[in-house]
Amino acid sequence: DAGVTQSPTHLIKTRGQQVTLRCSPISGHKSVSWYQQVLGQGPQFIFQYYEKEERGRGNFPDRFSARQFPNYSSELNVNALLLGDSALYLCASSLNTEAFFGQGTRLTVV
Amino acid sequence: QKEVEQDPGPLSVPEGAIVSLNCTYSNSAFQYFMWYRQYSRKGPELLMYTYSSGNKEDGRFTAQVDKSSKYISLFIRDSQPSDSATYLCAMLRAGGTSYGKLTFGQGTILTVHP
Repeated sequence: DAGVTQSPTHLIKTRGQQVTLRCSPISGHKSVSWYQQVLGQGPQFIFQYYEKEERGRGNFPDRFSARQFPNYSSELNVNALLLGDSALYLCASSLNTEAFFGQGTRLTVV
Repeated sequence: QKEVEQDPGPLSVPEGAIVSLNCTYSNSAFQYFMWYRQYSRKGPELLMYTYSSGNKEDGRFTAQVDKSSKYISLFIRDSQPSDSATYLCAMLRAGGTSYGKLTFGQGTILTVHP
């Protein structure tokens, strides 16, 4: 079985631009969560979606948004990029309480 | 004060040593406890998952939870150079709108020398 897949793996954007990150969960998993991991820190929760509905939102500005599609895949959008948005963005899918992560998208804002 | 505290290390041990990694937490609502291993520039990999207080063993790994002390541990026996990675503890509240929101520690960097 394929694990959680994220695309792209690396991305370089300029300040002020917008970015869309994509995630495909493990087959059968209906919950997708997004996390931001800054170098040297643990992942920080951004969003959780379950059955296409937002179930939770972390302490991130409104520049961050997400959605989940009928096939349970998900997109994370970040507008008006700041240098501080440079990080590894992780997607996790879960069936119950165990969460499985993708390899992440490394976003660099210059 | 952070909800989950984890010593970032770094921790350096010789091959074959027993490694002890620890986290403390302040929120009694945490009911599920996980340990993830993260290699450089990769996503976290789930190692151990526990719910109740006590020990859970899987091969060379033992996870220990003490809810009364709000303290969790991961022990690695016969450590190998391939165990060199960052180890993250993570916790989850039970049910409700918090379902699915993991709260992570900072991560401990472990190096096992041959």
